[in-house]
Amino acid sequence: GDSVTQMEGPVTLSEEAFLTINCTYTATGYPSLFWYVQYPGEGLQLLLKATKADDKGSNKGFEATYRKETTSFHLEKGSVQVSDSAVYFCARMEYGNKLVFGAGTILRVKS
Amino acid sequence: DAGVIQSPRHEVTEMGQEVTLRCKPISGHDYLFWYRQTMMRGLELLIYFNNNVPIDDSGMPEDRFSAKMPNASFSTLKIQPSEPRDSAVYFCASRGRGYEQYFGPGTRLTVT
Repeated sequence: GDSVTQMEGPVTLSEEAFLTINCTYTATGYPSLFWYVQYPGEGLQLLLKATKADDKGSNKGFEATYRKETTSFHLEKGSVQVSDSAVYFCARMEYGNKLVFGAGTILRVKS
Repeated sequence: DAGVIQSPRHEVTEMGQEVTLRCKPISGHDYLFWYRQTMMRGLELLIYFNNNVPIDDSGMPEDRFSAKMPNASFSTLKIQPSEPRDSAVYFCASRGRGYEQYFGPGTRLTVT
């Protein structure tokens, strides 16, 4: 079935370090891909999205590129801040409205 | 814009009791989703509605779970009878014409 696989966390970084969170998906078609972020005690918020191959989604310094050849959508940020500490979810949507989420990756940024 | 509103934010109940979770979607959104989040299973879609009609309830775990959407501004998720393994955070989300689902703050349910 459809699935999304994320790197296991937690990921612990110092402030201003480079961030990569890996995400791969199974592809039976051409899904839309998303990164959501969940801050403590809150619901999920859309961080960025890409709807077709080679699209790059970006927001708040985060970027992810839809790579069809490697079925990947890795999340990157050049310089993380303490306020980026949260749980990050990769997700896919295909054939309508159902989002399939990865397990989530905890990010902890130390000052 | 108030966003998606869920109530209660926390619910503690005893096994066997009925639990009702409530959701008010963003005005004008015609899709509504119910999710459950646990450490073991992550984030799971339980059911979603389009224009108040249930479209896919394949994620509803058992007959103990039921969901309704009597009008465009209100939905409920009911568990009867509740069991300890139902303990989780339940999220409601709504969506309009775009791709983005807007999530509520969630209801943390504890069944003892």
